[in-house]
Amino acid sequence: QVQLVESGGGVVQPGRSLRLSCAASGFTFSTYAMHWVRQAPGKGLEWVAVTSSDEKTKYYADSVKGRFTIYRDNSKNTLYLHMNSLRAEDTAVYYCARAEGFKLDVWGKGTTVTVSS
Amino acid sequence: QSVLTQPPSASGTPGQRVTISCSGSSSNIGSNYVYWYQQLPGTAPKLLISRNNQRPSGVPDRFSGSKSGTSGFLAISGLRSEDEADYYCAAWDDSLSGRGVFGGGTKLTVL
Repeated sequence: QVQLVESGGGVVQPGRSLRLSCAASGFTFSTYAMHWVRQAPGKGLEWVAVTSSDEKTKYYADSVKGRFTIYRDNSKNTLYLHMNSLRAEDTAVYYCARAEGFKLDVWGKGTTVTVSS
Repeated sequence: QSVLTQPPSASGTPGQRVTISCSGSSSNIGSNYVYWYQQLPGTAPKLLISRNNQRPSGVPDRFSGSKSGTSGFLAISGLRSEDEADYYCAAWDDSLSGRGVFGGGTKLTVL
């Protein structure tokens, strides 16, 4: 079945880096744009970044621009989010989602990132 | 402060009809589709309404969406206890070279 599984979350100190992964299965990953969306504890959804199917187009939220990088490996059916210079306010559950335009029709269950000293 | 504005809460009794609004601007809802997502407690969001008013397969026809100008609306008729959840509107925003934007979310309580 169509599935997205995030991994790579954990507890990290402020200023350090972390890489999240999103493994896709059950669909032709290489033909879909993919997004990262996060949710801080007790807060609403915040869009983070998107990459087109061929990585030619990428957009980022202002809050992560210059610190986070979204990329993908279509040969491995995997989406990534590399996060540098992490801050306490980056603490959240991070979801990956499959997209057609901004229609996010398949979501993973999320992976939790906690930035704390 | 979210780019899209939703009421933080809404409520209704079983069987009632409830409407949730989502106010945006010309750079997002005014020029792009509105999407609605339902998030049940402790779970990932789920696509509820696509492209202003389209229901994905499996979504009951009790849920409907509409758009007028720079606002979107989600209506839930025949309210049921299992509809108690957080609801988020979303749209692509053409300003600042492009970005996705969500509303702050509306917590729906079924009394």
